[in-house]
Amino acid sequence: EDKVVQSPLSLVVHEGDTVTLNCSYEVTNFRSLLWYKQEKKAPTFLFMLTSSGIEKKSGRLSSILDKKELFSILNITATQTGDSAVYLCAAEGTSYGKLTFGQGTILTVHP
Amino acid sequence: GAVVSQHPSWVICKSGTSVKIECRSLDFQATTMFWYRQFPKQSLMLMATSNEGSKATYEQGVEKDKFLINHASLTLSTLTVTSAHPEDSSFYICSARAGTAHYGYTFGSGTRLTVV
Repeated sequence: EDKVVQSPLSLVVHEGDTVTLNCSYEVTNFRSLLWYKQEKKAPTFLFMLTSSGIEKKSGRLSSILDKKELFSILNITATQTGDSAVYLCAAEGTSYGKLTFGQGTILTVHP
Repeated sequence: GAVVSQHPSWVICKSGTSVKIECRSLDFQATTMFWYRQFPKQSLMLMATSNEGSKATYEQGVEKDKFLINHASLTLSTLTVTSAHPEDSSFYICSARAGTAHYGYTFGSGTRLTVV
């Protein structure tokens, strides 16, 4: 059975701090690892990773995948209150498009 | 960018009634859409894969007769919760993949179902 585990489950920081969110996975016939940000409703896409060791960046966010150790990290630098959300990690395995989600990390950024 | 429109955003219904949720891809064609359910403080769980022109594929433990899925066109998939009960109250959300892999999967805005 495919499994995705995220840590920590929750994190409270102050503006300006840097955070690292972790995601480990066990997925049959791994295709890709995706990160999403979920605020009140639909998850919004952040990154899709398919290759090991290649960092993807978008502003203050960056992510990297390690296919040997089966994990990924999401970094957020200089956090802002608007970064407060649930961050979801999902792995795509054998079946095209079927995502297995982790439990999510609840990030709270205080002013 | 790719947009998936889902409605209604929220619905309250009485036990025993049926509720239909629609999911439309607005600027792309989606031969496959995915339906998820999310309980409070839990992550998204895939319920079924909706295939245009054919039967949906349901995940283990999901009752196909209770959660009817229809994908009659390349831009529309519907999920009908039949004979709803309070335990069906949840957040239902659809997703689809638009074109290139770079953009991952786009999610609809979700439907909050409350069965009273």
